[in-house]
Amino acid sequence: EAGVVQSPRYKIIEKKQPVAFWCNPISGHNTLYWYLQNLGQGPELLIRYENEEAVDDSQLPKDRFSAERLKGVDSTLKIQPAELGDSAVYLCASSLGSGSSYEQYFGPGTRLTVT
Amino acid sequence: RKEVEQDPGPFNVPEGATVAFNCTYSNSASQSFFWYRQDCRKEPKLLMSVYSSGNEDGRFTAQLNRASQYISLLIRDSKLSDSATYLCVVPRNTGGFKTIFGAGTRLFVKA
Repeated sequence: EAGVVQSPRYKIIEKKQPVAFWCNPISGHNTLYWYLQNLGQGPELLIRYENEEAVDDSQLPKDRFSAERLKGVDSTLKIQPAELGDSAVYLCASSLGSGSSYEQYFGPGTRLTVT
Repeated sequence: RKEVEQDPGPFNVPEGATVAFNCTYSNSASQSFFWYRQDCRKEPKLLMSVYSSGNEDGRFTAQLNRASQYISLLIRDSKLSDSATYLCVVPRNTGGFKTIFGAGTRLFVKA
């Protein structure tokens, strides 16, 4: 069974440029998460989807970040314009459902470097 | 104070040693807990769930202490392949469901 797929794996951009990340969750997983992970820190939730609905985007910096999950499957996360402080690993995860009993499966992440 | 706190380490132990990590949490309403393992430059993967009665899987034992609000992970007979960062995870249901990750504890097992 295929795991969570993310692309690109690495991205280097100049500040003020736009960037987009793509995630394909495990088939049948209704819940999709985008996390940001800085070096030496745990993942921090940016947004959580239940099917195509964003049910928790309280930590998403909406002035520059946007996300969508059309048709409740694939998702994209966009940053425009990128800032130096956005350099981090962006992780996508999915789970069968939402709640404390569901295991989250993570993709390999996209390592973003903003110069 | 952070909702989930871990000693960042690193813990440097020889092969065969027993090592334990603790993780403290602040939300007394949390009911379930997890340990994830993250290898260097890789994604986190579930290691084990932590039940009220504890949980044991081979060389790994997880315990929950509700009174003191901490969970622990014990690794017996450490292997070189156990070298990784261990993330404590505390789902929170108050104020909406959210998964809170600790910053992780780094473990190095040396030959």
